[in-house]
Amino acid sequence: DAGVIQSPRHEVTEMGQEVTLRCKPISGHDYLFWYRQTMMRGLELLIYFNNNVPIDDSGMPEDRFSAKMPNASFSTLKIQPSEPRDSAVYFCASSGDLNTGELFFGEGSRLTVL
Amino acid sequence: GQQLNQSPQSMFIQEGEDVSMNCTSSSIFNTWLWYKQDPGEGPVLLIALYKAGELTSNGRLTAQFGITRKDSFLNISASIPSDVGIYFCAGQGMHDKIIFGKGTRLHILP
Repeated sequence: DAGVIQSPRHEVTEMGQEVTLRCKPISGHDYLFWYRQTMMRGLELLIYFNNNVPIDDSGMPEDRFSAKMPNASFSTLKIQPSEPRDSAVYFCASSGDLNTGELFFGEGSRLTVL
Repeated sequence: GQQLNQSPQSMFIQEGEDVSMNCTSSSIFNTWLWYKQDPGEGPVLLIALYKAGELTSNGRLTAQFGITRKDSFLNISASIPSDVGIYFCAGQGMHDKIIFGKGTRLHILP
């Protein structure tokens, strides 16, 4: 079975540009999480969805960040406009049963904003 | 908000040594989790703990869920080169939210 698929794997952009990161969760998983990883802050939870509905977006840094899940097999995280401090690795993870605590992570999208 | 304090931040050890790392929180968690991240990949679950006081092993790994539900430790015995990576503790509280610590970077000296 395919795991969580994220794209792009790497993106380099200039400050002010719009960035869209994409995620395809594992088929049948009801939960989808977006995390951001930096050296300074570790793995931060940005937002998570259950059955395509955003449950908690308290970790989204500011209005420049938005996330959508239009259907069970696709989610996007958008940053507009991007800033250098947004540079990080963004991970998407999905889970079919949160009672186990097991999240299945994608390989991440490494974003560099110049 | 909920935060996890993980220590140490990094460790440099010789192959064959035992490793110990821990995680504390000011909040109570219902589940404690330990994940490992290899370079260039996403974290993978190593051990999950569901009851206060629970001690669980997975091969050379042993983890415990603190009795106060505010802490957990992970031990690795007889380290080998493939143990290199970042180890994250994570806590799951109300509303299914899973919060991660900042990680412990394990380095094994040649």
